[in-house]
Amino acid sequence: NAGVTQTPKFQVLKTGQSMTLQCAQDMNHNSMYWYRQDPGMGLRLIYYSASEGTTDKGEVPNGYNVSRLNKREFSLRLESAAPSQTSVYFCASSVSGFGTEAFFGQGTRLTVV
Amino acid sequence: GQQVMQIPQYQHVQEGEDFTTYCNSSTTLSNIQWYKQRPGGHPVFLIQLVKSGEVKKQKRLTFQFGEAKKNSSLHITATQTTDVGTYFCAGHNTGGFKTIFGAGTRLFVKA
Repeated sequence: NAGVTQTPKFQVLKTGQSMTLQCAQDMNHNSMYWYRQDPGMGLRLIYYSASEGTTDKGEVPNGYNVSRLNKREFSLRLESAAPSQTSVYFCASSVSGFGTEAFFGQGTRLTVV
Repeated sequence: GQQVMQIPQYQHVQEGEDFTTYCNSSTTLSNIQWYKQRPGGHPVFLIQLVKSGEVKKQKRLTFQFGEAKKNSSLHITATQTTDVGTYFCAGHNTGGFKTIFGAGTRLFVKA
């Protein structure tokens, strides 16, 4: 089993460009999450999907959109990238919502110049 | 809103010394999880604590959940170089829904 797979691993964008980060899990988990990690700030929740067909905002949703394409896939889109969105992005999944063990992908290191 | 504070931010130890990181929540938690992230890696789940006063051990790691379910600690006995990385706590709020991560404690171990 691959677990949680994220693509791409690295990306450099120019300010104003758009891109989609892809995430897929093969563990039949119901819940999926997108976090960003910045130095000294831990992991901050961007968006989450408690179950297929639902998505909700987390702590820092501004500038992002998400799509829960099916039970396996949860994508994160930056419509108009800004330097403040330079960060490491992690996708995660869990069996059934917050409070259950989360499995993280390898991360995407995004730089916006 | 709910906050989870973690201290210290950094800790340098000599190999063989002990290490402790502390996590404090502004609200009562239903459970707390601990994760480890190696440098350049992704967070990996270590353990979950649910009961008031709970203590769990994993080899040299001891995890505690406070009686009031508002604080937790991770203690490593006799650190090894393989222990390097950042340790995060993640608290799940009783009345809420989301899990909040602490900022993490980065452990450096000198051989």
